[in-house]
Amino acid sequence: EAGVTQFPSHSVIEKGQTVTLRCDPISGHDNLYWYRRVMGKEIKFLLHFVKESKQDESGMPNNRFLAERTGGTYSTLKVQPAELEDSGVYFCASSQAHNSPLHFGNGTRLTVT
Amino acid sequence: AQSVTQLGSHVSVSEGALVLLRCNYSSSVPPYLFWYVQYPNQGLQLLLKYTSAATLVKGINGFEAEFKKSETSFHLTKPSAHMSDAAEYFCAVVKGFGNTGKLIFGQGTTLQVKP
Repeated sequence: EAGVTQFPSHSVIEKGQTVTLRCDPISGHDNLYWYRRVMGKEIKFLLHFVKESKQDESGMPNNRFLAERTGGTYSTLKVQPAELEDSGVYFCASSQAHNSPLHFGNGTRLTVT
Repeated sequence: AQSVTQLGSHVSVSEGALVLLRCNYSSSVPPYLFWYVQYPNQGLQLLLKYTSAATLVKGINGFEAEFKKSETSFHLTKPSAHMSDAAEYFCAVVKGFGNTGKLIFGQGTTLQVKP
């Protein structure tokens, strides 16, 4: 069984540019989560999809962040325009049911210069 | 509102020594608690979880944790550390009511194991 896959593993962009992160969950997992860890801080919840629907996006920092999950399969997280404080590691996780264990990807390390 | 606090951002033990990583939680509802581990360049892996059943929870790789309501603690232990245990460990609590994937994480504790 393939795990949760995230692309790219690293991204370095300049302030003001746009970046799109992708997450491929485990096949058959309806629940998909995005988390972020800013350097020196704790891992924080961003949002939760159930299939293609946003169940909870209360953790999204601001309207520069847009998450989609068209078709209920893979998800993208776009940051536009990126700011310095967006630097950090973005994790994706998926689960089969809402109360099933989370399976995390390796994360995307985003550096905004 | 829920929260978790991990005491000690870095813990160093000798190989073969007891591992004790501390986690205290705050929750207005019965908590669901987790310990995750992150090895270098990898994602988070579930070590164990407490979901209101037995208070002593056994996990993978010889780790266990005890839920103590009176102390609001969920400390992680392992009797004998291995070099392969060197990693960052995270305590987490479910945010809100019930058992979901919406977690609040502690700040993390990096475990160093010395030969």
